[in-house]
Amino acid sequence: GQQVMQIPQYQHVQEGEDFTTYCNSSTTLSNIQWYKQRPGGHPVFLIQLVKSGEVKKQKRLTFQFGEAKKNSSLHITATQTTDVGTYFCAGQSFRGAQKLVFGQGTRLTINP
Amino acid sequence: GAGVSQSPSNKVTEKGKDVELRCDPISGHTALYWYRQSLGQGLEFLIYFQGNSAPDKSGLPSDRFSAERTGGSVSTLTIQRTQQEDSAVYLCASTRSLGETQYFGPGTRLLVL
Repeated sequence: GQQVMQIPQYQHVQEGEDFTTYCNSSTTLSNIQWYKQRPGGHPVFLIQLVKSGEVKKQKRLTFQFGEAKKNSSLHITATQTTDVGTYFCAGQSFRGAQKLVFGQGTRLTINP
Repeated sequence: GAGVSQSPSNKVTEKGKDVELRCDPISGHTALYWYRQSLGQGLEFLIYFQGNSAPDKSGLPSDRFSAERTGGSVSTLTIQRTQQEDSAVYLCASTRSLGETQYFGPGTRLLVL
């Protein structure tokens, strides 16, 4: 079945450093979604990417969807302590597919 | 409220007892998903509902787990004869329709002693 792999599993940075997490699917995706889970909280939707090669920005966060629609990345510029949490990607294999397949997440910790 | 709600927020039970977890999705959302998240781990898909039917039960770990949804709204996840390895946070999410943005509830933290 479809698998979504995310790396790294953990990342610790100094405040102000950049951070990137990568997501790779075993199959071509219809779209990919990104979620953030703060410590002790629940996942919260960040963004959805649909088009091949799509790039979207949210302030210091940049999301990319690969040309082949099998990989994606989330890049945070100049991290802040509020960025702490676990970032999950989730892929939908085709439009209208019943479920999203979540990656294992990348846990980001930040040294202030 | 406007969000997904889950109850109880915390549940401590003894090994062998049954537990029932409840999820109230966002009004009008047709699809509902259950996930399990062990400490520091990712999201493990359990089951989803489209309306009241559950086409995909492939994620349920064992026959001790069951779920139902009535009236296209509230869903309950039941774990019979709980085991210590069932301890986790059980998250519910709802979507307007299949595969769309998932809105998660706060989860139920289950601890089996």
